[in-house]
Order: sequence, then structure tokens, then C-alpha cells
Amino acid sequence: SAVISQKPSRDICQRGTSLTIQCQVDSQVTMMFWYRQQPGQSLTLIATANQGSEATYESGFVIDKFPISRPNLTFSTLTVSNMSPEDSSIYLCSVGQGGYNQPQHFGDGTRLSIL
Amino acid sequence: SQQGEEDPQALSIQEGENATMNCSYKTSINNLQWYRQNSGRGLVHLILIRSNEREKHSGRLRVTLDTSKKSSSLLITASRAADTASYFCATDEGAQKLVFGQGTRLTINP
Repeated sequence: SAVISQKPSRDICQRGTSLTIQCQVDSQVTMMFWYRQQPGQSLTLIATANQGSEATYESGFVIDKFPISRPNLTFSTLTVSNMSPEDSSIYLCSVGQGGYNQPQHFGDGTRLSIL
Repeated sequence: SQQGEEDPQALSIQEGENATMNCSYKTSINNLQWYRQNSGRGLVHLILIRSNEREKHSGRLRVTLDTSKKSSSLLITASRAADTASYFCATDEGAQKLVFGQGTRLTINP
């Protein structure tokens, strides 16, 4: 399976600032996704990162708050903008090869704390 | 939207015993997947079962799927301390977008 590197692994940020999280894959992948895991909770899909076009956001998530880039088939970024303490979460990227019945593989996540 | 519900929320057993976790979902699916998460780190994919399959095995793992009841179970046999983790089911409704259950926290006591 693909090796996924996520940076940074953790950060502590001040409210009102923005942070960009990077996701690098060691091989070309069809699908890349971004998930949020709030403290003690399960994972929620933020958006599908589309190569060369705007990301597809899930209900409750907007581009102004979570801008996403995907310039090629191995790299994507998620920015958490104008952060507040409610944004304290683990953010995870995942990758898949598209098609039916294919597993996704996850990075180690970015643990973000907002003061 | 969260559609998966897992049961129990927490499970504590002795090493060597079997652990069973259950997952229910609400809509039609392409497949159901089980993942493990250690201490808030990334998720590790364990097993994928397709909607037309009823049972699947991988090492000490056994997964069943009952689409008529919209439910699945994960059995870990002969548990080990290293199995201590949170376990999540996730359903793929299409386009590989996963909807996760709330998870089961499994603790294996030596």
C-alpha cells in the first residue's frame, strides 16, 4: 500500500491564525480525502481533494474555512483558516485508487490544538 | 453524516479471550471496512467486505456482514495486549467516501 506522509504531526496555534497541513504520497493515487476527528470522536469527511480542480466539500464544511489544494496525483494540502478552539482536532488525509471496493489508507494525522 | 453505530463503545477483556464488536448502518453500501487506531494516531486498514459477501477472514480477524439487517461484526480471536486500540467500521456508499461509526475502545488486560 501507499506510504503517506503528513506534516506537521502536531502543532499548537493561536486563535485567528491559519495552518496548512501537507499530505505527500509515495506513488500516484486517484483519490485523496481529508477527514477531521474531534477529541474523543469518530472521523468526519471534510472534502475530496480533486487533482487540478476545486475540492468537493461535505455538508458543514466550506472552502473559505478549509481551502484545499491538489496540484498533482501525489500531493495535497489542507489549510485550517482563522482558527478557533473548536478547530482543535486531528486532521487526517487518506488515499485510494478509485473504483469500487478499494480500501483507503491513512496518514498518521496532524494533531492540532488552538489556544 | 454519521450513520454507523458501534457496540459496545468500550470493551475490556483478558489477554487470550475473543473480542467481538458490532456495527450497524442505515443505507445501501458498496462495502464495509474495519480500521484500527492506536492512541489517536492514523488509521490502519484491517479488512474490507463487499456488499455481496457474508464473511471474511484475515489472520485472527473474522468479519461478517448481514445486509438484510444492515449490520456487521468484527471478531478478534486469541487477543493480545497489542490489540489494544480503537476500532472503527466505515461504510462506502459510493465514490469511496467513507462514513465512520463511533468506534469501540478495546482494552486487552495482561
